[in-house]
Amino acid sequence: EAGVAQSPRYKIIEKRQSVAFWCNPISGHATLYWYQQILGQGPKLLIQFQNNGVVDDSQLPKDRFSAERLKGVDSTLKIQPAKLEDSAVYLCASSPTGGWEKLFFGSGTQLSVL
Amino acid sequence: RKEVEQDPGPFNVPEGATVAFNCTYSNSASQSFFWYRQDCRKEPKLLMSVYSSGNEDGRFTAQLNRASQYISLLIRDSKLSDSATYLCVVRDAGKSTFGDGTTLTVKP
Repeated sequence: EAGVAQSPRYKIIEKRQSVAFWCNPISGHATLYWYQQILGQGPKLLIQFQNNGVVDDSQLPKDRFSAERLKGVDSTLKIQPAKLEDSAVYLCASSPTGGWEKLFFGSGTQLSVL
Repeated sequence: RKEVEQDPGPFNVPEGATVAFNCTYSNSASQSFFWYRQDCRKEPKLLMSVYSSGNEDGRFTAQLNRASQYISLLIRDSKLSDSATYLCVVRDAGKSTFGDGTTLTVKP
């Protein structure tokens, strides 16, 4: 079974530039999550989709971050403009129904903002 | 106060030692609990779920105390390969909240 796919693996940009990350969840998984993990901290939920609808985006900095999941399959997360404090690993995860089951994570995108 | 709190460590133990990690959570309505393992520069992976009755998987034992809102993970006979960060995860209504993790280094 193919896992959660993410790209790019690494990205280096300057502050005020824009960046986009892509995620393809495990086939058939209805729920997709974007997490931000700053060095030394646990993953923090940015946004959760159920199919193509947003379930929770309460911690998404909406002035600069946006995400979409068109057609309820793959998803993109965008930052525009980036700040130094956005340097982190961005993890995408999926789960079958969004209930009590475990999360399957992709390998993440490591973003460095200079 | 953070929703999920863990002792950050680091824990440095010799091979063969027994080590225990603790985790407390603030939301009494939380319904499911997990321990994830994260290796350096890798994604988190599920280590084990935590059940009310306590559960064991080989050298790993997880326990839950709902009254005290406390979760623990015990590792017996530590191996070098157990070196990693262990993340406590509390799930409520489909939302997973992660602790900041406890780092374990097992030394020869």
